[in-house]
Amino acid sequence: GNSVTQMEGPVTLSEEAFLTINCTYTATGYPSLFWYVQYPGEGLQLLLKATKADDKGSNKGFEATYRKETTSFHLEKGSVQVSDSAVYFCALDSGGGADGLTFGKGTHLIIQP
Amino acid sequence: DAGVIQSPRHEVTEMGQEVTLRCKPISGHNSLFWYRQTMMRGLELLIYFNNNVPIDDSGMPEDRFSAKMPNASFSTLKIQPSEPRDSAVYFCASSLAGPDAPLHFGNGTRLTVT
Repeated sequence: GNSVTQMEGPVTLSEEAFLTINCTYTATGYPSLFWYVQYPGEGLQLLLKATKADDKGSNKGFEATYRKETTSFHLEKGSVQVSDSAVYFCALDSGGGADGLTFGKGTHLIIQP
Repeated sequence: DAGVIQSPRHEVTEMGQEVTLRCKPISGHNSLFWYRQTMMRGLELLIYFNNNVPIDDSGMPEDRFSAKMPNASFSTLKIQPSEPRDSAVYFCASSLAGPDAPLHFGNGTRLTVT
C-alpha cells in the first residue's frame, strides 16, 4: 500500500536558519507529491506540489524536488521566519485525485526569534 | 469563495451521546473527504464521496460512525453512540476530482467526548 514517512518533530530552529524536512514515500506507479501546511487552529493548506520525477514545486520560499530514485520529496527553505511556525505534512496521490491523499504524520516546526 | 465550512468548531459531549458534524464543500467541487486527526495516528481518511456517492468507507473505524451526502453542498458525519476515544479534530475537505487536484480543507471540528 501507499505510505509516507516524515521526520519526527518538533523541529526547532532560529530565525533565518536553513530548513530541511525529510519525506520519503512508498507507492505503486507514479504518484503526485504534495506538501501541506497547517497553522494553529486551521485546516491544512496546499503549500506546493510536484507531479512527475525531477519536478520542483515551490511557493513562499519553500521548495521540494520529486526524486524518484530515492523516493523522496524533502522540503527546504533557505531562511525561515517566525511566521513559518506550523505543522507540515507530506502527502501523495496515486489515485488520480479521486480517492484522497495519503498523508505523513506531520512535522511540527517551531521558529524562534 | 468562502472555502470549506465546517460546524460546529468545537463540540463537547458526554459518552453515549449522538454527535453530528457538518460540512459545506466549496461550490463546484465534486469530491468530499472526511479526515480525523489525532496526535497518535495523525491524519486518517475516514470516507470520501464522488458526486455525492460514497466511494470508500473502509477508514470508518466502527459501525458507530456514519456519513451522508444528501446533495452536492452538504455532508454530515455522525457518531452514535460517542466514546471518549473518538475525541479528535475532524476535518472535511473538498476538491475537483482529477489528477493532481489539491484538497481544500475546512478549519475542522474539535470533538471532546467526556
